[in-house]
This record gives sequence, structure tokens and C-alpha cells, in this order.
Amino acid sequence: DAMVIQNPRYQVTQFGKPVTLSCSQTLNHNVMYWYQQKSSQAPKLLFHYYDKDFNNEADTPDNFQSRRPNTSFCFLDIRSPGLGDAAMYLCATSLAGTDTQYFGPGTRLTVL
Amino acid sequence: DAKTTQPNSMESNEEEPVHLPCNHSTISGTDYIHWYRQLPSQGPEYVIHGLTSNVNNRMASLAIAEDRKSSTLILHRATLRDAAVYYCILRDLNTGNQFYFGTGTSLTVIP
Repeated sequence: DAMVIQNPRYQVTQFGKPVTLSCSQTLNHNVMYWYQQKSSQAPKLLFHYYDKDFNNEADTPDNFQSRRPNTSFCFLDIRSPGLGDAAMYLCATSLAGTDTQYFGPGTRLTVL
Repeated sequence: DAKTTQPNSMESNEEEPVHLPCNHSTISGTDYIHWYRQLPSQGPEYVIHGLTSNVNNRMASLAIAEDRKSSTLILHRATLRDAAVYYCILRDLNTGNQFYFGTGTSLTVIP
């Protein structure tokens, strides 16, 4: 089945130690998104790629970066994780001009 | 971005209909109304969406007020598997592909 895959499902990192979360998709969608979801809160959009064009949300901290080397893969890099960055990170995809986003299961990040 | 307002939580008995309300008084003419739900420990999943007319699919129905300032997601027979957080989201196709989630309604289904 076509899907959105996030690895790992659980990630533990140390305060200040760079970490990379990955997302891959077999849907061949041209738009990919990263959301941050803190405990008991709604998902918050960090940024998205429209093909290779990167679109950052105005309030996304500089500590968060993203790479999309090809259509199938997208990475979220947190350069210096702080305790406040502990959250579930959700990847989603969509086909531009259509209405549905398809979400992965998320990666739960713990910062020690 | 237009905002949505939903009750924080609702309860329903199993096998009874559930009506989940959403207010979006600042909706624009090009905003689509989307509903997603998030089951525990999973990513959100699409439920239904519409623009002006009521919509039905295998999961739910969406009733949209005539002035479009509110909408209601209807689950016709709640099951225990429907226990989730339900998000009402406005999306303007003219401004991009982004979703901005509201606070959502946590639905508890009572056996």
C-alpha cells in the first residue's frame, strides 16, 4: 500500500546534540510537510516543500531545518535540540491542487 | 488565516449518532472546510471536506450552514474506534496547500 513512512518512531537525543528525523513516501506526491505536535496540543506546521521549493512558516525557529533530496524523501534537522523541542513530529504529503493530506505515524522525540 | 472554534471535548454512547460542531465565523468564500481525526498515537487522517453543500462519505457526513459560518461533522453510529481528536480546519486553495489546525474536539465513546 502506498504510504508515508517515518523513521524512527521514537528518537532520544541529548540536549544540544543534532538530530535528524526522516520521512519517505510512496505516493509520489509533490508536496511534503513537517508538523510539530506537543503533548495535548494540535499539530503546528513548521514548513513544507512544494516540489523543491521550500516554504518556511514565519514562526518556525531557525533551529529547525529541512532537506528534500528527491520526491520521495524529506528530512527534518534539529541543529541544537532544547528541552522544549520534545514533541511528536509528523510528516505529511499531498498532491498540489488536491484537498487531502496524508500523514505518517510520527516520530516521538525525547530530549534528555 | 481563518480560525475555527470547537468544544474541547464531547462524549457519546456507542452506536448513537454524534454531532461535532465547528464555528468559523471569519471564513472566506474560497475556504474549504476540512475535518481530520487523530486516533491515539497515530498521525491525523482525513475524514471529509466540503465547500458549500453537505457532503457524505463512508466515514461521516458534513453539514455546512447556509452562511458557512459553522459546520457539523456527523458520525452516524459511533463505535469505540471513533474515539479520537477531531479537527476542523479551513483551507484556502488560493493561498497554498497549508493546513492550520485548531484545538480540536476530543471525542470519548462510552460502551
